[in-house]
Amino acid sequence: TQLLEQSPQFLSIQEGENLTVYCNSSSVFSSLQWYRQEPGEGPVLLVTVVTGGEVKKLKRLTFQFGDARKDSSLHITAAQPGDTGLYLCAHNTGNQFYFGTGTSLTVIP
Amino acid sequence: DAGVIQSPRHEVTEMGQEVTLRCKPISGHNSLFWYRQTMMRGLELLIYFNNNVPIDDSGMPEDRFSAKMPNASFSTLKIQPSEPRDSAVYFCASRRTSGSYEQYFGPGTRLTVT
Repeated sequence: TQLLEQSPQFLSIQEGENLTVYCNSSSVFSSLQWYRQEPGEGPVLLVTVVTGGEVKKLKRLTFQFGDARKDSSLHITAAQPGDTGLYLCAHNTGNQFYFGTGTSLTVIP
Repeated sequence: DAGVIQSPRHEVTEMGQEVTLRCKPISGHNSLFWYRQTMMRGLELLIYFNNNVPIDDSGMPEDRFSAKMPNASFSTLKIQPSEPRDSAVYFCASRRTSGSYEQYFGPGTRLTVT
């Protein structure tokens, strides 16, 4: 198992603030995925990053894959209560998917 | 198109009882996954199937756990006998093996074993 460590584990911020969460490993990956899981539901894929240094944007969310393809970050601009959830990074080898420990985000109105 | 369907959504049972969780994958998806999520261990892959055949069950914790996929539209995860430490949320997910890596998760079954 190639461990994915996410930080911070918990984050509580006010609406309108910016935040960054991290996904780190000592291993090199061909790609990384980011998921958001809302309470009482399953994870939903947000984005897949595949190229070292790649930056992808999804509205107010910006995802970056590290140059060495060992880490990734997710930056949220002007957070909204709807962003509340558990953010998971994951990698896969074929059909074997490994998930990080997750960052639980709460955005307070 | 309906997503992945799981039943029941909640299950409360006593230690020693048999528990069966059910999953209907998205039509046309030929890979199916069973995951377990706990606060302590996060989201863990238990087993996955390709074209109804179990490929890797190395994540299944013990012999008390078994999974079947009798056809392309149905899978079960059975725990017999159940123990309190099995309490968790169990997710089923499916995907097409080729093309996008995206997995589609069901809403999960919250299992509580007392």
